[in-house]
Amino acid sequence: DAKTTQPTSMDCAEGRAANLPCNHSTISGNEYVYWYRQIHSQGPQYIIHGLKNNETNEMASLIITEDRKSSTLILPHATLRDTAVYYCMTPFGNEKLTFGTGTRLTIIP
Amino acid sequence: DAGVIQSPRHEVTEMGQEVTLRCKPISGHDYLFWYRQTMMRGLELLIYFNNNVPIDDSGMPEDRFSAKMPNASFSTLKIQPSEPRDSAVYFCASSLAGWGAHEQFFGPGTRLTVL
Repeated sequence: DAKTTQPTSMDCAEGRAANLPCNHSTISGNEYVYWYRQIHSQGPQYIIHGLKNNETNEMASLIITEDRKSSTLILPHATLRDTAVYYCMTPFGNEKLTFGTGTRLTIIP
Repeated sequence: DAGVIQSPRHEVTEMGQEVTLRCKPISGHDYLFWYRQTMMRGLELLIYFNNNVPIDDSGMPEDRFSAKMPNASFSTLKIQPSEPRDSAVYFCASSLAGWGAHEQFFGPGTRLTVL
């Protein structure tokens, strides 16, 4: 799978939109972009995934650039419960998920 | 559905003892994964099953570790003998089949401490 790069940590004010970037400049045409998060002491939680088009679900929005070399996960109205480590991954086909170090997002009251 | 169920939630044992971790996947899910998480190494995939058959066990650290899935609703991860370096949180996850499907549902984990 393509290597992904994420900032180590980010802060966001409660109620504001949290924008988490991910670079995947070597992504291939068939590799999806997946986002998970892990709240302290819990198992990772699937958030969203996409291939080319922007995606939105009840948790977040995923914006993928036209060249697919980067993406942004958007939490539209961050709450304290969104404090977690967020992982961006680009598995190919049945290739296993590889969790890196992710971005530690802290929501500030 | 109750989600992925793991037991026990916490396990404290002494070096040399056998440890068995248990997992019940979400009903209907064809894939089951065992992960290990430590501060030093992060979240690592140990092994995964498809339709109860082990597909990739390349992440299993050594022969002391073994995993089984006797049926679609139950899997075990066994460590024998256990060592202090095995202390970690062990997660089980399951997912539906499908090429490229990576939406995995994780259990709450088992925190293992080997003294």
